[in-house]
Amino acid sequence: KAGVTQTPRYLIKTRGQQVTLSCSPISGHRSVSWYQQTPGQGLQFLFEYFSETQRNKGNFPGRFSGRQFSNSRSEMNVSTLELGDSALYLCASSTRGENEAFFGQGTRLTVV
Amino acid sequence: SQQGEEDPQALSIQEGENATMNCSYKTSINNLQWYRQNSGRGLVHLILIRSNEREKHSGRLRVTLDTSKKSSSLLITASRAADTASYFCATAGGGADGLTFGKGTHLIIQP
Repeated sequence: KAGVTQTPRYLIKTRGQQVTLSCSPISGHRSVSWYQQTPGQGLQFLFEYFSETQRNKGNFPGRFSGRQFSNSRSEMNVSTLELGDSALYLCASSTRGENEAFFGQGTRLTVV
Repeated sequence: SQQGEEDPQALSIQEGENATMNCSYKTSINNLQWYRQNSGRGLVHLILIRSNEREKHSGRLRVTLDTSKKSSSLLITASRAADTASYFCATAGGGADGLTFGKGTHLIIQP
């Protein structure tokens, strides 16, 4: 069974730009969650999608958005990038949001 | 906001020794999970313990859960160099959204 795939692995963007990150979950998993990891704040929950619907959202500004497609693949978008958005963005898939989560390798975003 | 708080923040032990990490949380939960992360990579799920369970084993791992004290511990027996990583506890349920992670314990196994 293929694992969770996140693309791209590394990204450098300029302040003010926007970025889209992609996540392909494990086959059969309908729940996809996104997390932001920084040295200062640790791992923080962004949002969870289940069957194309956003079920939960963390405490992040509206610049952070996401969506899930019918094949369970998910994308997250960050608009008007700020320096503080530099982080490792992790995607996790599971059968349900509270169950064992399988993480991708992450996308390392650097905003300059 | 962080639900789980791991203790200690960092731990360095000799290969072959046992490593114990603790996690405390604030609200009621449905389950508590432990994950390992190697140097800036994705997290790997280690073990899940439900709120009605007190102890669970998986290979060299032993997890306990005390819901009255809102705490959990992860014991790694006979540590190996490959166990060097950061370990996170994550809680599910209790009104929180998704999995709520602690800040982690960085474990270093000295050869």
